[in-house]
Amino acid sequence: AQKVTQAQTEISVVEKEDVTLDCVYETRDTTYYLFWYKQPPSGELVFLIRRNSFDEQNEISGRYSWNFQKSTSSFNFTITASQVVDSAVYFCALSERGLSISNFGNEKLTFGTGTRLTIIP
Amino acid sequence: ETGVTQTPRHLVMGMTNKKSLKCEQHLGHNAMYWYKQSAKKPLELMFVYNFKEQTENNSVPSRFSPECPNSSHLFLHLHTLQPEDSALYLCASSQGGTGKTADTQYFGPGTRLTVL
Repeated sequence: AQKVTQAQTEISVVEKEDVTLDCVYETRDTTYYLFWYKQPPSGELVFLIRRNSFDEQNEISGRYSWNFQKSTSSFNFTITASQVVDSAVYFCALSERGLSISNFGNEKLTFGTGTRLTIIP
Repeated sequence: ETGVTQTPRHLVMGMTNKKSLKCEQHLGHNAMYWYKQSAKKPLELMFVYNFKEQTENNSVPSRFSPECPNSSHLFLHLHTLQPEDSALYLCASSQGGTGKTADTQYFGPGTRLTVL
């Protein structure tokens, strides 16, 4: 069975500090996909990144960066120079690609429990 | 309208009421999903539809009844709910189809449901 663990329930940092959100996953699939989503107080889950299991290259997007390490089954997310607008709950997720009897793709995302990040002005 | 929209954003209902949640996606996707998000619990997948066919029912009680009339619309009909069903109900959509790669799911803002 797939599992995603976000051990950090809540993190608070002062604005402009760097912060890393941890994500550890378990899967028996050789092909899988990892995601990060942001959930601001409005409730909507905002897609941040998708990474497939064959691409271990780290990714940087502005102040956001992701470190994918298959050897430790981790997909950590770092925000540099944090801002108040970064305050949200962040979810890591793992996908399992199943097929229904009619052979349609069937996405099943397994989410972690989320990390609530608070940026203190 | 863009992305995934959900109505209503907030709903309060009694245990004997019947109500419906609506989701609409404007992304040209073929797969749609219902998730339940309760306090301090991971998001729980409830239903998946692909090209209007229900491809996943994650052991959801029959008091929740989904309907997908077309690839752009998804409903969740509610009847005789329990207080423990109070939660944020999120709708999502993805490209879907028979491809081998995992699609990205895009979420709506959710409906905050309170059952009294």
